[in-house]
Amino acid sequence: AQKITQTQPGMFVQEKEAVTLDCTYDTSDQSYGLFWYKQPSSGEMIFLIYQGSYDEQNATEGRYSLNFQKARKSANLVISASQLGDSAMYFCAMREGGGTASKLTFGTGTRLQVTL
Amino acid sequence: DADVTQTPRNRITKTGKRIMLECSQTKGHDRMYWYRQDPGLGLRLIYYSFDVKDINKGEISDGYSVSRQAQAKFSLSLESAIPNQTALYFCATSETGYIQPQHFGDGTRLSIL
Repeated sequence: AQKITQTQPGMFVQEKEAVTLDCTYDTSDQSYGLFWYKQPSSGEMIFLIYQGSYDEQNATEGRYSLNFQKARKSANLVISASQLGDSAMYFCAMREGGGTASKLTFGTGTRLQVTL
Repeated sequence: DADVTQTPRNRITKTGKRIMLECSQTKGHDRMYWYRQDPGLGLRLIYYSFDVKDINKGEISDGYSVSRQAQAKFSLSLESAIPNQTALYFCATSETGYIQPQHFGDGTRLSIL
């Protein structure tokens, strides 16, 4: 079974609008972290935001917020006031537990295109 | 200067050649990772290291080897390159802890002809 599922291969949003990128995850661990990364066309991976499994409040970082619904195992990224520079691939990732099981598992990504 | 530096940024080589990709970091992190990215597949872990004496295989380690020369340096080798190893390769570092993010280098685009 996929540990991280991103069901939207591509999304379009108009400049200045908000957009939600979906991510669902599968784990039996109680301790885990959820992360979002941005990959522009130049190729680098840019860390955006994270949520720990025990965090009760949704994470926010500037225009990025993470809508964490633990019971539904979802961790959607919300980008407010979209800008043309937000056009990129977005990856959701999960890190389970600690010790040797601390690798990141990535979803297949969502390509976001911001239009005028 | 970048915190995580990968060299080379681009490499084109022939089947059967030995290739080394290098990664160095100034973040002071103990943990280092090598990932591979193929279109439509996201990133997959090749090897990871929690300190200089600790090397672990990831999900796709066949055909690759690594060396952790120092806390700040982690190299990935392809002993005999084959065309299906053509991909974008990333090095990443992190602090200990499952809520610590991994920080990536800018990637190496490797093409094997």
